[in-house]
Amino acid sequence: GDSVTQMEGPVTLSEEAFLTINCTYTATGYPSLFWYVQYPGEGLQLLLKATKADDKGSNKGFEATYRKETTSFHLEKGSVQVSDSAVYFCALSENAYSGAGSYQLTFGKGTKLSVIP
Amino acid sequence: DGGITQSPKYLFRKEGQNVTLSCEQNLNHDAMYWYRQDPGQGLRLIYYSQIVNDFQKGDIAEGYSVSREKKESFPLTVTSAQKNPTAFYLCASSKIPGTSGGYNEQFFGPGTRLTVL
Repeated sequence: GDSVTQMEGPVTLSEEAFLTINCTYTATGYPSLFWYVQYPGEGLQLLLKATKADDKGSNKGFEATYRKETTSFHLEKGSVQVSDSAVYFCALSENAYSGAGSYQLTFGKGTKLSVIP
Repeated sequence: DGGITQSPKYLFRKEGQNVTLSCEQNLNHDAMYWYRQDPGQGLRLIYYSQIVNDFQKGDIAEGYSVSREKKESFPLTVTSAQKNPTAFYLCASSKIPGTSGGYNEQFFGPGTRLTVL
């Protein structure tokens, strides 16, 4: 079955440091890939997405590139802020166009990021 | 503003009691989902519904029940048969996969934290 593996947390960075959170996946079809963010005590918000190979999703200074050859979708940000402290989830969805359309999102276990001033 | 609401935000239950968590959306989405979140385990799918009066079990449906009498509403009942119900519960909704570029972008509510006393 499908699976998503994220780097273990927690990750603690100083403000303005460079962030990378690794995400790799296994899927039977040709999935779409997502990064969700969860701030303390809240639900998940979609941060960015990519639907085909070499697509780059970007939002709020975060970026991730869909790498089919390495089955990866690593999240990066050049300069983190204290307000970026949250839990980040990588997820995939089988693409309906591949004939494997699915209602299910498969999530990684999440990576907690703490940014200190 | 369109979105998903969940109530209550916090819920306390005595052992042996059933409790119902509310989820309402005004995004005109056909599909709705319930997830359970436990520390360090990511999100696990409990139930999902593609259309009114129809729903399917997810990965951890035992001890839970749902109904979908209206498109906007998808309440979750945590029954006394659920042996470890203390968790954070998240509701989500989406368009039908294949109608939004082939992928399943889900929108989440703010969550309900259930504690068994």
